Amino acid sequence: QVQLYESGPGLVKPSETLSLICNVSGGSFSNYYWNWIRQPAGKGLEWLGRIYTGGSTNYNPSFQSRLTMSVDTSNNLFSLRLRSVTPEDTAVYYCATATQSAFTTGWYFDYWGQGALVTVSS
Amino acid sequence: DIQMTQSLSPLSASVGDSITINCRASQYITTYVSWYQHRPGKAPKLLIYGASILQSGVPSRFSGGGSGTDFTLIISDLQPEDVATYYCQQSYSTPFTFGGGTRVEI
Repeated sequence: QVQLYESGPGLVKPSETLSLICNVSGGSFSNYYWNWIRQPAGKGLEWLGRIYTGGSTNYNPSFQSRLTMSVDTSNNLFSLRLRSVTPEDTAVYYCATATQSAFTTGWYFDYWGQGALVTVSS
Repeated sequence: DIQMTQSLSPLSASVGDSITINCRASQYITTYVSWYQHRPGKAPKLLIYGASILQSGVPSRFSGGGSGTDFTLIISDLQPEDVATYYCQQSYSTPFTFGGGTRVEI
């Protein structure tokens, strides 16, 4: 069974870059889409984007100009960098796998990390 | 972006009740809907995918239905551990989007 764990600074200053890593264990690292999803306090879930094991990406246009995702297959991890953060980027950030088991199911997030709270404040 | 609109929150019910959570997409999305249960401080948990397919290990009192633009999550025989916020999510097109969530109270 795939297990994911987010790590990174819990506090980032405004205008700086938020960086998180998702470590993956169990299962196969290949053939998955790796996703980042966040939840601001008191709000709903927001999909930031995904990266395939081979490195191709799909970003949410709302974040595309300041978002970079990367994957390290040697160490079974993938990462998120969000530049020029503001207090509105304060949220719990989750990494998750996306699977499409059949043409009729679409993509669904079947494994999630526990989440990492990142606060943007000076 | 495809907007996902869920039932009003919170939804209050009693143990043993059957409840229905509705989710409407702003455009046609076939059966590309998933449902998640989110308890405070925990990771969201996949319940249903493909609109009606129960994820392995999820109790059978959870069921989903619908296609096109209107979808439902039904929880039968509501249990205390079902207190959570429930989200629908579409994957018909990127950016993938979630509904605003429906909080279930007992």
